[in-house]
Amino acid sequence: QVQLVQSGPEVKRPGASVTVSCKTSGYTFSNYGMSWVRQAPGQGLEWLGWISAYDGKTDYAQSLRDRITMTTDRSTSTVFLELRSLRPDDTATYYCARAHDSRFWGQGTMVIVSS
Amino acid sequence: DIRVTQSPSSLSASVGDRITITCRASQGVTTYVAWFQQKPGTAPQALIFAASSLQSGVPSRFSGSGYGTEFSLTINSLQPEDFAIYYCQQYDTYPYTFGQGTRLE
Repeated sequence: QVQLVQSGPEVKRPGASVTVSCKTSGYTFSNYGMSWVRQAPGQGLEWLGWISAYDGKTDYAQSLRDRITMTTDRSTSTVFLELRSLRPDDTATYYCARAHDSRFWGQGTMVIVSS
Repeated sequence: DIRVTQSPSSLSASVGDRITITCRASQGVTTYVAWFQQKPGTAPQALIFAASSLQSGVPSRFSGSGYGTEFSLTINSLQPEDFAIYYCQQYDTYPYTFGQGTRLE
């Protein structure tokens, strides 16, 4: 069965960077891309971007384009999200979801940004 | 960006009721709409993809419909476990955008 398993919670200082991983199994990795979505405490869902697991092509949300990078490691069927220059309002739970219809989701990774 | 307007923002219902949540996209997205259910402290779970296709394992009391700019999620005969927050999302055009959510209580 399809599984997306994300890395554990993170606590970071403002200005730092964070990398969240999403390890996949149960399907052919290169056949599907991955979206990343975040949810601030008590808020709705925000789409952050997408990466193709076939060729690494990406598309990022305009608001984060200068601070975000998505990558893949085909040898381990893992997708990574890096967010730089963290701010307190980046505090959220970050989810990976198999693109494009998001039928399968990771369990979420809480990232707290606080001084 | 395509705006997705979801209504109502909250909905009060009882076990056994039939409810409908709607999403309107600011431009046509053909059938590239998904619906998700989220319970507190858990990841969203897919209910419907491609506007009307039921995700495997989801009870048949859930159904979706629509095309273009108007979409709906219907739950027949509400069960206690259905009280949650529901979101729609268009995945026709980047950036993919979500509705604001509907709290079913």
